[in-house]
Formats: sequence, C-alpha cells, structure tokens
Amino acid sequence: EVQLVESGGGLVQPGGSLRLSCAASGFTFSSYWMSWVRQAPGKGLEWVANIKQDGSEKYYVDSVKGRFTISRDNAKNSVYLQMNSLRAEDTAMYYCARDQSSLLYRYFDNWGQGTLVTVSS
Amino acid sequence: SYEVTQPPSVSVSPGQTARITCSGDALPKQYAHWYQQKPGQAPVLVIYKDSERPSGIPERFSGSGSGTTVTLTISGVQAEDEADYYCQSADSSGTYHVFGGGTKLTVL
Repeated sequence: EVQLVESGGGLVQPGGSLRLSCAASGFTFSSYWMSWVRQAPGKGLEWVANIKQDGSEKYYVDSVKGRFTISRDNAKNSVYLQMNSLRAEDTAMYYCARDQSSLLYRYFDNWGQGTLVTVSS
Repeated sequence: SYEVTQPPSVSVSPGQTARITCSGDALPKQYAHWYQQKPGQAPVLVIYKDSERPSGIPERFSGSGSGTTVTLTISGVQAEDEADYYCQSADSSGTYHVFGGGTKLTVL
C-alpha cells in the first residue's frame, strides 16, 4: 500500500523559514516524480513544485520561485520542501503527492494527509 | 499563466446524472484528470487521462473530452458523492501542473 506521510508544518512568522518532509513507503520511490500541492483555507488546490526521479529536474509555480526549494533523498525515500521568506499568503495545508509524469500527461495518483503551515505574527 | 476553468457549483438530485465541465486551451493537447475532495480529507484521483478510472473508483464515475472541454460524469449520483471536484491538467509545454478552481457538487 502506498503511504505518504508529511511532517514539519507549524506556525511561523512572516519572513521565516520552514522545512517540510514527506516519507514515502509501499512503492519504489526512486522511480517516481514527486510533487507538493497546497490548499489555502477554504480555497482550491495549487500545485507548488515537483522533482524528477533523480533530482535532475525541478519545477515551481511562479509565486514560490526563488523562495522554495524542493529536494529528495532516494536512500531515505523522502522528499522535502524548504520554504524561505514565508508570507501570509503561503498559509495552507501542504500535501505531498506521487506524481505520474510523462511527456503527454501529469497527474497525482496518491496523496498524503497534509501538514498545515500557518504564517502569522 | 495557463488556466483551466470549472463552474463553481453543480446541484443534482440523488439518482440523477451530474456533469462537471472543465475548459482550457491546452486540453486538446494535454490529458485532463479529476480529483474528489471531501471536507477535511486529502484529494482522491477519480479519473485520469481524460477517461481512465483508477481501481476502487465506482463505475458511475466517467470522463470524456472534446476539443477544449472535458467532462466528469457521475451517473446515478449518491449522497456520498457530495464533495468538491477538481480538474487538473498541464500547460501546453507539458511542464507545469494546473488545477481548475474546483466545483462543489451538492446532492439535493
């Protein structure tokens, strides 16, 4: 059974930093792209970033470019999201998702339960 | 930036058919996928690559596409289908994931 477990969320002041982690199990982690998707309170889903199997390609939504960094450790079956210069608008539930990506399609076939990030003074 | 558009809400009576549309200029070139999200829960994939259904998803969920519009159809809607539904695709370059704004399905 595929399992994705996020951790690292919490309350942080504007301008602060936070590192999210996602521990994966139940599948060959190194064979899949991985993504982070967020959802602000009462709002819709927003893809944030993804990373290729070997970490050689990374993509970000425009609103987090230069502030967030996605990374992975295939030996630890984990993907991370380093979030710097946090803003109030980054407040959201952050989901880790297994990313089925190819030249013709990109979708998320498994999701974690999420970790809540609140940016407030 | 690229966008896909969904109606904010759809209402249907139990046993009827619900249709939720998603429109986007890149949809003729990029597959669309659909997620169901119930309050307080993570999203669940219900349709991928326009019309494929993951294992464990009831047969009453189906998907189709024509040109710049794709449609999620739920036949014989049940009370448990009340949820938010999100369309997702990629931009024309196939690089970036894009979600629609979501459609709240209300079962009357």
